Amino acid sequence: DAGITQSPRHKVTETGTPVTLRCHQTENHRYMYWYRQDPGHGLRLIHYSYGVKDTDKGEVSDGYSVSRSKTEDFLLTLESATSSQTSVYFCAISPQGVSNQPQHFGDGTRLSIL
Amino acid sequence: QKEVEQNSGPLSVPEGAIASLNCTYSDRGSQSFFWYRQYSGKSPELIMFIYSNGDKEDGRFTAQLNKASQYVSLLIRDSQPSDSATYLCAPYTGNQFYFGTGTSLTVIP
Repeated sequence: DAGITQSPRHKVTETGTPVTLRCHQTENHRYMYWYRQDPGHGLRLIHYSYGVKDTDKGEVSDGYSVSRSKTEDFLLTLESATSSQTSVYFCAISPQGVSNQPQHFGDGTRLSIL
Repeated sequence: QKEVEQNSGPLSVPEGAIASLNCTYSDRGSQSFFWYRQYSGKSPELIMFIYSNGDKEDGRFTAQLNKASQYVSLLIRDSQPSDSATYLCAPYTGNQFYFGTGTSLTVIP
């Protein structure tokens, strides 16, 4: 299995609080991605990174920010959490942005915002 | 907006039968196509990928791609109860993977 660790695995918090999710990889892959998965919507890309300090927005980036200060870590931050951000969040990694390299996923973080 | 359409199912097949999962996509620039399997409460896991027109076989799985029709499919031969899961189609374009909502497959013993 690809060496991807997401933390925390579960979190319950209140509306308006900041939340940071961490994705850690041991594969030294260049690309890292954050997705959210909701019923009826499938996996939707929030942000991705193609190198240290190089990030770009995905389809549903509003309300989220990311940082990547080291190759192995990609952080997703909800500055002021809202109930609409209750979801399952997956991190994924890929060796490089070429067309025949698949992504591999972490185990996910289940986030509930009350 | 890049659209990926999958029949949400549920698709039910008897054990030992062939399951056929279909996917259409809107972006003609898509270069590669990935199939993931996701068990309930788990993360997606890669089954196989294809990037040339035609068929690609891997064990009991066969992926089929027709870029002119913007269509990709996954066949599962000799379906087993352990194949019961949601199957996600994911075209790759411009450093991003675009996922369909998935097809739920149930294999009946």
